[in-house]
Amino acid sequence: GQQVMQIPQYQHVQEGEDFTTYCNSSTTLSNIQWYKQRPGGHPVFLIQLVKSGEVKKQKRLTFQFGEAKKNSSLHITATQTTDVGTYFCAGPPGQVSNFGNEKLTFGTGTRLTIIP
Amino acid sequence: NAGVTQTPKFQVLKTGQSMTLQCAQDMNHEYMSWYRQDPGMGLRLIHYSVGAGITDQGEVPNGYNVSRSTTEDFPLRLLSAAPSQTSVYFCASSYAWRASTDTQYFGPGTRLTVL
Repeated sequence: GQQVMQIPQYQHVQEGEDFTTYCNSSTTLSNIQWYKQRPGGHPVFLIQLVKSGEVKKQKRLTFQFGEAKKNSSLHITATQTTDVGTYFCAGPPGQVSNFGNEKLTFGTGTRLTIIP
Repeated sequence: NAGVTQTPKFQVLKTGQSMTLQCAQDMNHEYMSWYRQDPGMGLRLIHYSVGAGITDQGEVPNGYNVSRSTTEDFPLRLLSAAPSQTSVYFCASSYAWRASTDTQYFGPGTRLTVL
């Protein structure tokens, strides 16, 4: 089945430094979603990318979908303490289920900690 | 709207006990799902439902049962708890039955420990 891997698993940065997490799928994705989970909290939707090569920005966050639609990245510029948490990518599995391609496979996540 | 609610927030079970984790949403969402989260493993799909009366297995369904008698509720039953089921359980829902194209709204989670 499809595997969605994220690297790195952990990242510690000084406040103000940039941060990037990468998401790689073993199969082509029709779209990809990104979620953020604060410590002790639940995942919260950030964004969805659909088109090959698509780039979207949310303030200091930049999301990119690869040309081959098998990888994606999230880049945070000048990290702040509010960025602390685990970032997950998620995409539909490569194989179709009984009801169609409606499931989501989550990546392993990248945990970001900020050193003040 | 309360969004997605889960009860209980914390639970400790002994091996072999059974219990039901409750999940409810008041957003009239078609799609509901259960995930478990373990360190280093991300979120793994247990079971999901694309509408009332329709459920299917996810990636790690063994030891769990679900049913969807109403649009609002999607309980997860642990048949005979095992220490390997110690985890944080999240329920999620989305408006569209195709979860892969729609925002997932997560509940606050249930932290389960099996001794």
